[in-house]
Amino acid sequence: DGGITQSPKYLFRKEGQNVTLSCEQNLNHDAMYWYRQDPGQGLRLIYYSQIVNDFQKGDIAEGYSVSREKKESFPLTVTSAQKNPTAFYLCASSIPGPGNYGYTFGSGTRLTVV
Amino acid sequence: GQQVMQIPQYQHVQEGEDFTTYCNSSTTLSNIQWYKQRPGGHPVFLIQLVKSGEVKKQKRLTFQFGEAKKNSSLHITATQTTDVGTYFCAGPNAGGTSYGKLTFGQGTILTVHP
Repeated sequence: DGGITQSPKYLFRKEGQNVTLSCEQNLNHDAMYWYRQDPGQGLRLIYYSQIVNDFQKGDIAEGYSVSREKKESFPLTVTSAQKNPTAFYLCASSIPGPGNYGYTFGSGTRLTVV
Repeated sequence: GQQVMQIPQYQHVQEGEDFTTYCNSSTTLSNIQWYKQRPGGHPVFLIQLVKSGEVKKQKRLTFQFGEAKKNSSLHITATQTTDVGTYFCAGPNAGGTSYGKLTFGQGTILTVHP
């Protein structure tokens, strides 16, 4: 079955550490996205990529970095510069262009800073 | 920047009662999408509306897109406990229709009491 796999499901980080969240899709989608979700808030866009080797900052990119070396993979690194990283991180993919039929989301990674 | 607002933020209903959530955009949208997120889960795409005044139904769910394409609603008839979750609307960023970059509303959290 096609889908998006995020790992790990839960992640604990000490302050000052960088951590990388994995996102892999086998849907052959060109576009991939990272969103952050905090309690009581909607989804806020961190980074997105429309094509391999290209990515753009979203609304809250500070303290995060990404790469898109393969179509299937879009890892997110939460750096020590991110002041409040504890959140639920969601990766998504879609078919770009008119006729977009919605995002497919992964099951998410819950990051906690300890 | 573009804003997508949803009301109410919370809704508690008795099983069998109806439920409606409203979505308003600060800009005209080319389309609007709706997602459902079960507690502890990830958002799942429900539907996309494209045409002005469009109405679509999925069993007990009725989705409407306003004539001005700036607002939308989701109505659930005779709620069931399986309807529990957060319902999000989302619209493409202004000028972002080519690559499906979405702005999400804050979501409406629905609780259904048996």
